[in-house]
Amino acid sequence: SQQGEEDPQALSIQEGENATMNCSYKTSINNLQWYRQNSGRGLVHLILIRSNEREKHSGRLRVTLDTSKKSSSLLITASRAADTASYFCATDIRGGGADGLTFGKGTHLIIQP
Amino acid sequence: DAGITQSPRHKVTETGTPVTLRCHQTENHRYMYWYRQDPGHGLRLIHYSYGVKDTDKGEVSDGYSVSRSKTEDFLLTLESATSSQTSVYFCAISESIKRGNNEQFFGPGTRLTVL
Repeated sequence: SQQGEEDPQALSIQEGENATMNCSYKTSINNLQWYRQNSGRGLVHLILIRSNEREKHSGRLRVTLDTSKKSSSLLITASRAADTASYFCATDIRGGGADGLTFGKGTHLIIQP
Repeated sequence: DAGITQSPRHKVTETGTPVTLRCHQTENHRYMYWYRQDPGHGLRLIHYSYGVKDTDKGEVSDGYSVSRSKTEDFLLTLESATSSQTSVYFCAISESIKRGNNEQFFGPGTRLTVL
């Protein structure tokens, strides 16, 4: 079963609006990361939030982490057409080894011009 | 993009033939990973490496083998390709697995079609 599950699976909004995606996970983590994938390309790392952090910002991105609810959210403010992509959360499971991160299935975000 | 290349970028092959995909990095990162990406399944780990000649299985390793004879190269081999191995394959690298420093950098992917 997936460690991380994004919600919603797909999201379509108008340019300029804010986009919020959620990720839920099952087991304790060291950190949670968000990645973006443009169509036909590899994933690109966006932001990492550690288990002892509650909120982190990077440009127009805001990530929150609630370890008590085992959930995270990614907020993209003032969306642009170029933000159209799939977004994945990835968890670094506590006690995990060199096998690294566990990825969710992603949220497909479409920004309508 | 980080210095990661994958070859070939596209391949069409027939069932039963062997296929080798190559991942090459110029970042000198210790950890390397092979994933496959399929609709409805997201990214699934096939094999990973934690050093030269050190490899281990991931979630979906059946039908795949890997080798890493040099830091910069990580090869994925399908000994006898099957149609279920039609997928997009991504290589990723990571400098560390330590908490807070284990982000992964991905290659451009290889689209493999097995007829």
